[in-house]
Amino acid sequence: GPKVLQIPSHQIIDMGQMVTLNCDPVSNHLYFYWYKQILGQQMEFLVNFYNGKVMEKSKLFKDQFSVERPDGSYFTLKIQPTALEDSAVYFCASSTDRYEQYFGPGTRLTVL
Amino acid sequence: AQSVTQPDARVTVSEGASLQLRCKYSYSGTPYLFWYVQYPRQGLQLLLKYYSGDPVVQGVNGFEAEFIKSNSSFHLRKASVHWSDSAVYFCAVSYNNAGAKLTFGGGTRLTVRP
Repeated sequence: GPKVLQIPSHQIIDMGQMVTLNCDPVSNHLYFYWYKQILGQQMEFLVNFYNGKVMEKSKLFKDQFSVERPDGSYFTLKIQPTALEDSAVYFCASSTDRYEQYFGPGTRLTVL
Repeated sequence: AQSVTQPDARVTVSEGASLQLRCKYSYSGTPYLFWYVQYPRQGLQLLLKYYSGDPVVQGVNGFEAEFIKSNSSFHLRKASVHWSDSAVYFCAVSYNNAGAKLTFGGGTRLTVRP
């Protein structure tokens, strides 16, 4: 089936540093999403994105977070600066104008 | 606001046994409902979805689910489980518009004993 790729698979950084998580969505998809999963807990929505704009963001999407997809390339989640509580697995997803979201394998972010 | 409850955090069954994983949702309109499976160190894979019509929907690998509006439930079933079904299963709901976020339940970790 359609594949969403995420780079890197694991990122370790020091608190206060900037990090960019990269997502390569399915090629003909129009909607893009980021979700956060803390170890052992449920998946939680962060933000969705369409036509170059944020559609909706949750309370977890702090001011330090930003998303973009410049020139139709990677869909990125940037955290600047990072905090200890940002340690989690971040999943990217994409969809067409239908409702099925396809998920990537996740990026495990560890903030020290 | 929408929410999803999966009351069983862990379920253990023997191989070949039948399975039901429970899911209840809270939603003001007509929900779109999904079951996803997550294998270790992998992303979520869609098992099945319900938008409208026949309340019993068939998914991959012999899974099915039934939408019962009166009970606000969307339980997942399988007639005979295999050890490879061991994984975490997530129920999710979304609004019926393109690009809508998914709201997930807490997940059920299924262990199938050989």
